[in-house]
Amino acid sequence: NAGVTQTPKFQVLKTGQSMTLQCAQDMNHEYMSWYRQDPGMGLRLIHYSVGAGITDQGEVPNGYNVSRSTTEDFPLRLLSAAPSQTSVYFCASSGWVTTGELFFGEGSRLTVL
Amino acid sequence: AQTVTQSQPEMSVQEAETVTLSCTYDTSESDYYLFWYKQPPSRQMILVIRQEAYKQQNATENRFSVNFQKAAKSFSLKISDSQLGDAAMYFCALRGGSQGNLIFGKGTKLSVKP
Repeated sequence: NAGVTQTPKFQVLKTGQSMTLQCAQDMNHEYMSWYRQDPGMGLRLIHYSVGAGITDQGEVPNGYNVSRSTTEDFPLRLLSAAPSQTSVYFCASSGWVTTGELFFGEGSRLTVL
Repeated sequence: AQTVTQSQPEMSVQEAETVTLSCTYDTSESDYYLFWYKQPPSRQMILVIRQEAYKQQNATENRFSVNFQKAAKSFSLKISDSQLGDAAMYFCALRGGSQGNLIFGKGTKLSVKP
């Protein structure tokens, strides 16, 4: 069972470069989201989606872009990477829009030099 | 706004002993869910236990149980018979509201001494 798959697991970028973190789930979940995890800060919501074609901002959306063209995929784009975006990123999905636990990917460690 | 507070950045327990991790939250929603997630060094997020706010009975999963005090907005996690594999970061989380977003506390790092 694949669940939530994130790629890449590790990435090093230079300041100003752009990249896309991929997220795919095979559970037919309507709700998908992206979090970033920084030491001492817990997980903070970047963007989320309640279905194909619907996205919205979370707590820390600046510098990130998302789209949801299919139920399965929810990519996160860094438009112009900055050192402050060095973090571990998690994609998560849920079968219910407002209830139930989230299923997480394995995380992607991004370093911006 | 919904908030989750974990006041213990670090905790330590002796193997086979019991430890309780604290969590308080704030929400204006009447229908919400509470969770404890475990994050071992592998960084995988693992669901430990969940509690529906409308249920008065405290959730239990094997050695893990919660003390859910709705009026006090408290949701603590008790780990009984602690094992070395319980060493991890533990996050308390709240899900409620129309968007259904999951709000996390900052975490408690649990170490288990042999």
